[in-house]
Amino acid sequence: GDSVTQMEGPVTLSEEAFLTINCTYTATGYPSLFWYVQYPGEGLQLLLKATKADDKGSNKGFEATYRKETTSFHLEKGSVQVSDSAVYFCALSEGRGDYKLSFGAGTTVTVRA
Amino acid sequence: DAGITQSPRHKVTETGTPVTLRCHQTENHRYMYWYRQDPGHGLRLIHYSYGVKDTDKGEVSDGYSVSRSKTEDFLLTLESATSSQTSVYFCAISEETEGVDGYTFGSGTRLTVV
Repeated sequence: GDSVTQMEGPVTLSEEAFLTINCTYTATGYPSLFWYVQYPGEGLQLLLKATKADDKGSNKGFEATYRKETTSFHLEKGSVQVSDSAVYFCALSEGRGDYKLSFGAGTTVTVRA
Repeated sequence: DAGITQSPRHKVTETGTPVTLRCHQTENHRYMYWYRQDPGHGLRLIHYSYGVKDTDKGEVSDGYSVSRSKTEDFLLTLESATSSQTSVYFCAISEETEGVDGYTFGSGTRLTVV
């Protein structure tokens, strides 16, 4: 079945550092890929998405490129801020008509001033 | 997000009692989902609905049932709560589009079973 594997956290960084969170997936077809972010005490929010190979999703300085050859969708940000402290989830959907999402375990990121 | 609300936000209940969580949307979206969030597991799908009275099981459906009698409401019932069902429960909604736009999530219900 479909599955998503994320790098384990927690990740602790200093402000202005470079952030990478690795995500790889297993799927039978051609899934759409997502990154969600969860700030403390809140629900998940869509951060970015990509729907086909080589697409790049971007939002709020974050980027991720859909790499079919390596089945990956790594999240990157060049200069993090304290406000980026959150839990990040990689997810995929096969889009079979039920739009179900499969999530990774989540990566907790803490940015220190 | 004002388009989707969950109630209650917090609940403590005793083992063996039934519990119902409510998800209400004002977006008229066809698809609704219940997930549970646990450390180390991310979010796991419990049940989902693709229309009024149309529901299906997710990967962790044992011990849970759902009902959707109106487009806007999706209820999750723990038939006889157990400590293993202590978790944070999230409802999500999705549009029916040609592509996949992802979900809009509610703020969650923190359930503690003692």
